[in-house]
Amino acid sequence: EVQLLESGGGLVQPGGSLRLSCAASGFTFNTYAMSWVRQAPGKGLEWVSVISHTSDSLYYADSVKGRFTISRDNSKNTLHLQMNSLRAEDTAVYYCVKTHWSGYYIYWGQGTLVTVSS
Amino acid sequence: EIVLTQSPGTLSLSPGERATLSCRAGQSVSSSSLAWYQQKSGQAPRLLIYGASSRATGIPDRFSGSGSGTDFTLTISRLEPEDFAVYYCQQYGSSPTTFGPGTKVDIK
Repeated sequence: EVQLLESGGGLVQPGGSLRLSCAASGFTFNTYAMSWVRQAPGKGLEWVSVISHTSDSLYYADSVKGRFTISRDNSKNTLHLQMNSLRAEDTAVYYCVKTHWSGYYIYWGQGTLVTVSS
Repeated sequence: EIVLTQSPGTLSLSPGERATLSCRAGQSVSSSSLAWYQQKSGQAPRLLIYGASSRATGIPDRFSGSGSGTDFTLTISRLEPEDFAVYYCQQYGSSPTTFGPGTKVDIK
C-alpha cells in the first residue's frame, strides 16, 4: 500500500523558513518523480514544485522560484521542500504527491499545514 | 500558461442521478493530457481519470472521462452517496501544469 507521510508544517512568521519532509513507502520511490502541490484554505490546487526520479530535473512555480528548494534522498525514500522567505500567501496545506512521468498525480499524501502569520 | 475553466461551479443532484462536469481550456491541451481528481471534505485529492479518458486503478466504472483539444467532460453515470465532493481538472501537457477551480457536487 502506498503511503506518503508529510511532516514539518506549522506556524511561522513572515520572512521565516520551514522544511517540509515526506516519507514514502509502498512503492519503488527511486523510479517516480515527486511533486509538492498546495491548497490555500478554502481554495483550489496549485502546483509548487516537481523533482525527477534521479533529481536531475527540478522545476518550480513562478510564485516560489528563488525561495523554495525541492530535494529527495532516494536512499531514505524521503522528499523535502525547503521554504525560505515565507509570505502570508504561502499559507496552505502542502501535499506530497507521487507523480507520473507525464505529469499527472497518481497518489497524494494527507498534507501538512503551513501557516505564515505574525 | 493554460487557464482551465470548470462549469458549473456547483451541481446539486440527488443520489442515482447523472452528473456531467465540464472543463474547458484556454488553448488546446496537447496529447489529451487532462486528469480529473476528486476531493472530499478534509481529505486529499484522489486521481480518477488521466489521459482524458483512462480510469485510474480502483476507480468504479460509473466514472468516465471524454474530450479532446479544449473541451473535456467528467461523467458520473449514477451518483452514489460517496460521490458528493469537489472535482478538479488538471492539464499536464504544457508547462506549468494547471488546475481548474473545481466543481462542487452536492446533495439536492
